[in-house]
Amino acid sequence: EIVLTQSPGTLSLSPGERATLSCRASQRIYSNNLAWYQQKPGQAPRLLFYASSTRATGIPDRFSGRGSVTDFSGTDFSLTISGLEPEDVAVYYCQHYGSSPLTFGGGTKVEI
Amino acid sequence: EVQLVQSGAEVKKPGESLKISCKGSGYSFTSYWIGWVRQMPGKGLELMGLIYPGDSDSKYSPSFQGQVTISADKSINTAYLQWTSLRASDSAIYYCARQAIADDYFDTWGQGTLVTVSS
Repeated sequence: EIVLTQSPGTLSLSPGERATLSCRASQRIYSNNLAWYQQKPGQAPRLLFYASSTRATGIPDRFSGRGSVTDFSGTDFSLTISGLEPEDVAVYYCQHYGSSPLTFGGGTKVEI
Repeated sequence: EVQLVQSGAEVKKPGESLKISCKGSGYSFTSYWIGWVRQMPGKGLELMGLIYPGDSDSKYSPSFQGQVTISADKSINTAYLQWTSLRASDSAIYYCARQAIADDYFDTWGQGTLVTVSS
């Protein structure tokens, strides 16, 4: 089973600042098969990115995802929010796919 | 519009049975896997299992195998998550989510069903 470790646990920033969230896998994730979700308070999760850096429909471009740029596999992934807005307050989860069992990271809470 | 609409909140006693539902609309329900995801109070997301409504093929995450049953009725575009004997530790929000057609991430989520198990 691939274990995903997200850091930091909580990120407290001011509006307009840049947030960088990390997701580290215990084994290589091939084909950059990693997704990111946003869960706002009291809401269901929403897909932000798949294939580590492909933005889902309707996701603003202040959000960006990054995975391995060399061989489309790796263990370190990141999500960046450039120019935080109050509506970005949420918990962000990464999830790997492409091998069973699918697992989620523990989440990073973004506070403003 | 692709939508997954889940059944409403439930309050049950330990030992009771429960079946919650997830109705899909706006797409070919039989062509996409549906997953059930548990979120315990204040905690993260855990995939419980998946079902392919086209043929009812199902897969369970190891932690949930034997603890719940996932089923689907393709005639009414609905997937189900069922318990035969609830425990207090089953109290959580349960989400259904649709897997993308070509990959295993979840592109659409239901609104969640809160299950409270208390004596």
